[in-house]
Amino acid sequence: DAGVIQSPRHEVTEMGQEVTLRCKPISGHNSLFWYRQTMMRGLELLIYFNNNVPIDDSGMPEDRFSAKMPNASFSTLKIQPSEPRDSAVYFCASSAYRDLAKNIQYFGAGTRLSVL
Amino acid sequence: GESVGLHLPTLSVQEGDNSIINCAYSNSASDYFIWYKQESGKGPQFIIDIRSNMDKRQGQRVTVLLNKTVKHLSLQIAATQPGDSAVYFCAEKGGSGNTGKLIFGQGTTLQVKP
Repeated sequence: DAGVIQSPRHEVTEMGQEVTLRCKPISGHNSLFWYRQTMMRGLELLIYFNNNVPIDDSGMPEDRFSAKMPNASFSTLKIQPSEPRDSAVYFCASSAYRDLAKNIQYFGAGTRLSVL
Repeated sequence: GESVGLHLPTLSVQEGDNSIINCAYSNSASDYFIWYKQESGKGPQFIIDIRSNMDKRQGQRVTVLLNKTVKHLSLQIAATQPGDSAVYFCAEKGGSGNTGKLIFGQGTTLQVKP
């Protein structure tokens, strides 16, 4: 299995532009998570989906952020408009929500976003 | 509220020595914990997990100890190697019920000196 695939790996954009991050979870996994990592705040959960349905988006910083999961093999995280404080590494993770006692999440390599 | 924290931000050890990374958690109802390793430029990678009905679990060169009395978790790495240099995160299962959510600590940087 190729693991969780994120694209792009690096994104540099200007303030005010729309940014779309993409994620392909591990085949067969039915939970998907979006995280943001910064030096100051560490690893923060933004939103997660079970069976393509958003379960908890309380970590989404503001309305500029939105996430979708149109099918089991694809998710997007969109920032519109982007701001310099959105600069961070964004990770996507997936897990197989079959064993409810274990929540092992498998992470992608991340997208490093720089907003100038 | 729920929180997971680490005692030390950076740990420096000599190659070949054993490493111990500590983690404190606040939710006494937590029943499942995971350790992740994050190398530079990569995403966190699963190392080992433990359920609350266990005190100890061993993997290859790693051991996780759980002390529920003081809500403390530790990761022991035997014969530390340069490839072990990374940031280590503990995480606990978050939320009520089985949501799939994890709450991560801030991380400890492990530096291995040759």
